[in-house]
Amino acid sequence: EVQLLESGGGLVQPGGSLRLSCAASGFTFSNYVLSWVRQAPGKGLEWVSIITGSANNTYYADSVKGRFTISRDNSKNTLYLQMNSLRAEDTAIYYCTRRTSFDQWGQGALVTVSS
Amino acid sequence: DIQMTQSPSTLSASVGDRVTITCRASQSISKWLAWYQQKPGKAPNLLIYDASSLESGVPSSFSGSGSGTEFTLTISNLQPDDFATYYCQQYNSYPVTFGQGTKLEIK
Repeated sequence: EVQLLESGGGLVQPGGSLRLSCAASGFTFSNYVLSWVRQAPGKGLEWVSIITGSANNTYYADSVKGRFTISRDNSKNTLYLQMNSLRAEDTAIYYCTRRTSFDQWGQGALVTVSS
Repeated sequence: DIQMTQSPSTLSASVGDRVTITCRASQSISKWLAWYQQKPGKAPNLLIYDASSLESGVPSSFSGSGSGTEFTLTISNLQPDDFATYYCQQYNSYPVTFGQGTKLEIK
């Protein structure tokens, strides 16, 4: 069974940093493109970033470019999102997802940016 | 960036109805479109990919069509479990973008 399990969410002050992790199981991790998608409270879905299976290529939404870094460790079957210079508007549930048509989703990690 | 526009934003329907949700792209995305269902407090669930391919395990009451800039999601014989919010998403180019969502409500 495919599973994606996010961790690392929490409350952080504006300007602070946080690192999310997504532990994967049930599939050959290195074969798949992975993304982070977020959803602010009561709002729609927003794609954040994507990384290829080999980690050779990454792409970001303009709203996070230069502040967030996506990475992966294929030996640990884990995806990461390093979030720096956090803003109130980054408050959201962050989901890790598989493929470009997101066929698998984690349960989400809540990130709250507030003083 | 490719803008995705869904209509309607809210749709009221009854059990047993057939409903259609439309998604328009600001430029051609070929067939690279997906549809998701999301229920409150849950992660989205993939229904349709490549515009018209039904994801494994999704009921055949869901169907997708279209190509280029205009796409539709049709749900036939609405069941109580189908009342949720639906999103389209293009993956033709980065940044990946979503429609704003369509909330399907019970009439």
